[in-house]
Amino acid sequence: SAVISQKPSRDICQRGTSLTIQCQVDSQVTMMFWYRQQPGQSLTLIATANQGSEATYESGFVIDKFPISRPNLTFSTLTVSNMSPEDSSIYLCSVVGSSETQYFGPGTRLLVL
Amino acid sequence: QKEVEQNSGPLSVPEGAIASLNCTYSDRGSQSFFWYRQYSGKSPELIMFIYSNGDKEDGRFTAQLNKASQYVSLLIRDSQPSDSATYLCAFLSGGYNKLIFGAGTRLAVHP
Repeated sequence: SAVISQKPSRDICQRGTSLTIQCQVDSQVTMMFWYRQQPGQSLTLIATANQGSEATYESGFVIDKFPISRPNLTFSTLTVSNMSPEDSSIYLCSVVGSSETQYFGPGTRLLVL
Repeated sequence: QKEVEQNSGPLSVPEGAIASLNCTYSDRGSQSFFWYRQYSGKSPELIMFIYSNGDKEDGRFTAQLNKASQYVSLLIRDSQPSDSATYLCAFLSGGYNKLIFGAGTRLAVHP
């Protein structure tokens, strides 16, 4: 499976600010996704990061709040904009490997005060 | 109706016993099913995937799939304290690599 890294691993932010999370993969991958895991909850898909075009967002998530970039096949960023305490979560990127399997990065733990 | 149903647990089993984790799903069209293990404070780790009805074994883990009953399970034989984690069931929805996750079952293996 691909090796996935994320930066930052954790952060504490003030409400109203924005944070950009980076996801780097050690090999080219076609499919890359961003998930959110709120405290005590399961994973929810935010969007599919498409290389060379706008991300595809799931219901309840919008580009203005979660802008995503995917400049190439090994890198993506997710920005959490105008943060509120409700945005406190773990944010995870994932990539698709062989046999439709998905592998997750280590996650970014965000606390908004 | 939730798309994936799992008992939240905790499921407590003694060391050496078989742990049985269960999951039901609503999408009859789904063909691909996954089990992830998540330790506290860590990201999910893929441990099994299954596409065909029946059993699939990998070491101490066996995944079982029954598409007619929309049911998938994970058996962990010879459970160890290191198996204590939350186990997430997931399936691919709509053929677009969109994973739908259950809420997870917390497993506690006690010595």
